[in-house]
Amino acid sequence: DTAVSQTPKYLVTQMGNDKSIKCEQNLGHDTMYWYKQDSKKFLKIMFSYNNKELIINETVPNRFSPKSPDKAHLNLHINSLELGDSAVYFCASSQSSGLAGVSAKNIQYFGAGTRLSVL
Amino acid sequence: DQQVKQNSPSLSVQEGRISILNCDYTNSMFDYFLWYKKYPAEGPTFLISISSIKDKNEDGRFTVFLNKSAKHLSLHIVPSQPGDSAVYFCAARTSGNTPLVFGKGTRLSVIA
Repeated sequence: DTAVSQTPKYLVTQMGNDKSIKCEQNLGHDTMYWYKQDSKKFLKIMFSYNNKELIINETVPNRFSPKSPDKAHLNLHINSLELGDSAVYFCASSQSSGLAGVSAKNIQYFGAGTRLSVL
Repeated sequence: DQQVKQNSPSLSVQEGRISILNCDYTNSMFDYFLWYKKYPAEGPTFLISISSIKDKNEDGRFTVFLNKSAKHLSLHIVPSQPGDSAVYFCAARTSGNTPLVFGKGTRLSVIA
C-alpha cells in the first residue's frame, strides 16, 4: 500500500508539448512537495503546498504550475516542454510544514519519481 | 551556492566494517538535519534525523553525529551490510516554511 504514489513513472515526450504528473499521498499529511533531480543529481525543491495553499515557490519557470485539489493530491503541470526539463521529478509529503518549528513531524516521505525525457 | 556539501561522491566498505559518510553545511541557521537513503529507480527513504540541540542520535546500526561548531555531521553505519549499498543524501533545513536543502549524495558500496 504505497504511501506517496506518483504517475506516470516514465514520461517521454516532444519539445513544446504540455504534460502533467500526478501525486497522491495516503498518509493524512498536510504538506506536499515537488522536487527536481537534474543530471547533476541535485535534489532541489520546486514547490510546497500546505493544506492546498502554496507556501514555497522557488525560482521555477512559470511554465510549471502546481495544482492541489485537496491536501492528499499535488499535481504538476508543465507547459511548452523544453529539453532542459528532462529530469526526475519527485513528489513528497510531510505531516506539517515546519512553520511552528522543525521536528519529526516535518520528515518528508518521497514517491518513487517520474523520469521525464523531452526529445 | 551549495549550502549542504557531501564531498565524497563514493565510498566502498567491506561487509561488517564501519561506514562513515560525511556532510558539511554553511548555513548556521539550519536546525534540523536528516539522512536519506536512495536505491536506483526509487525515491529517497528517510533514515535518521537529528535536531541542532543534540550532538548524537542513534537508531539500531545507524548513528548520526552533529558538530555544530564545525558545521559538520556524519552518519555511521555499523556493521555495514550489502543491503546498505545505496546513495545517501544529507539534508538540512531551518524552521518555518523553508525548503529542505539536499547535498549531492554519496554512493556507498558495501562489498561482501
